[in-house]
Amino acid sequence: ETGVTQTPRHLVMGMTNKKSLKCEQHLGHNAMYWYKQSAKKPLELMFVYNFKEQTENNSVPSRFSPECPNSSHLFLHLHTLQPEDSALYLCASSQQGEKQIFGSGTQLSVL
Amino acid sequence: DAKTTQPPSMDCAEGRAANLPCNHSTISGNEYVYWYRQIHSQGPQYIIHGLKNNETNEMASLIITEDRKSSTLILPHATLRDTAVYYCIVRVGQGGSEKLVFGKGTKLTVNP
Repeated sequence: ETGVTQTPRHLVMGMTNKKSLKCEQHLGHNAMYWYKQSAKKPLELMFVYNFKEQTENNSVPSRFSPECPNSSHLFLHLHTLQPEDSALYLCASSQQGEKQIFGSGTQLSVL
Repeated sequence: DAKTTQPPSMDCAEGRAANLPCNHSTISGNEYVYWYRQIHSQGPQYIIHGLKNNETNEMASLIITEDRKSSTLILPHATLRDTAVYYCIVRVGQGGSEKLVFGKGTKLTVNP
């Protein structure tokens, strides 16, 4: 248990579905991150939030929509995904300028 | 692109020290070197980080060369549970916009 909790742990969805990934941290951190890890590829940063404000969008397609209602929660809303979006989605948090702590990830399969 | 270069794989005998090298020849003066590891299909686990001095914690030691162009992560007594992909990362940015750019890492296999 790292202090960063991601749900669900596994998700299977069709291309027409809408689903959401949730990330929660109670470490008092003020920055939260979404990463994507496709099979046999390095982790790719998707989004960064600092104090609930999005500060980085790494050219992510609009079918991925992040939401950060407060410093402790981060969501990734998914709609009309493609099979190539199947991947491990990882959330992380940090205190500004310090190490990032990762959750266990959500393994997503798009059929 | 990642600013570091690591060997794709290494082997180590259980109980021996594992020394994982990393090159970061373009590192800037205010950029930190971070090490994470990832066990299959789990989130990366923070190990250690440093700026220019050598660092040690309960998991590992980090040796950074004087010119800061390379570093070595040392696991003093490797166990089977240390089998993982180890990432050496130069953290870029500052003031809330820090980013970790992951490369392919080194797959360390600890053998009995």
